[in-house]
Amino acid sequence: NAGVTQTPKFQVLKTGQSMTLQCAQDMNHNSMYWYRQDPGMGLRLIYYSASEGTTDKGEVPNGYNVSRLNKREFSLRLESAAPSQTSVYFCASAPGPYNSPLHFGNGTRLTVT
Amino acid sequence: AQSVTQPDIHITVSEGASLELRCNYSYGATPYLFWYVQSPGQGLQLLLKYFSGDTLVQGIKGFEAEFKRSQSSFNLRKPSVHWSDAAEYFCAFHAGNNRKLIWGLGTSLAVNP
Repeated sequence: NAGVTQTPKFQVLKTGQSMTLQCAQDMNHNSMYWYRQDPGMGLRLIYYSASEGTTDKGEVPNGYNVSRLNKREFSLRLESAAPSQTSVYFCASAPGPYNSPLHFGNGTRLTVT
Repeated sequence: AQSVTQPDIHITVSEGASLELRCNYSYGATPYLFWYVQSPGQGLQLLLKYFSGDTLVQGIKGFEAEFKRSQSSFNLRKPSVHWSDAAEYFCAFHAGNNRKLIWGLGTSLAVNP
């Protein structure tokens, strides 16, 4: 059972380039999340999707867009990458939107030069 | 404001020694509480959770945590630490019907042989 799968694992972009981070879960979870993790700042929520067909902004949505393609997949897009978006990005899923524990992918390490 | 404080940024213990990681939360009611562990290069994994009932909860890998309402604390403990426990530990809580988790900044645990 794969759980939450993120691709790619590593990516280097130049400022202004665009890219999409992919996330898929095979646990039939309703809720999916995108976080970024930066040293000294912990985990910050970028966007989340409480259920298929819905998405909402988190704490730090600027510069990002998301698509809940279907129940399994939740992608994160950087339209014009900036050095401030250098981070480790984690996708997570949960059975429900509130008090359900999160299941995390192994992350995408993104560097923007 | 709702917040989680993990007072210890970094802790070093010897293998076989006991461990206690501190977590304090700020919230007007009893939240849903979680401890997650992140091994190097990996995503976060749920160690244990507290929703209600018995204030001493058992988790995976031999960890336990105790909820103390009077101290707004949810400290994580392990009687005897193993070298494989070296990781980053995050405390988090879910405040009622708020859709997002409130995260602490983490405690990095190093284990000396």
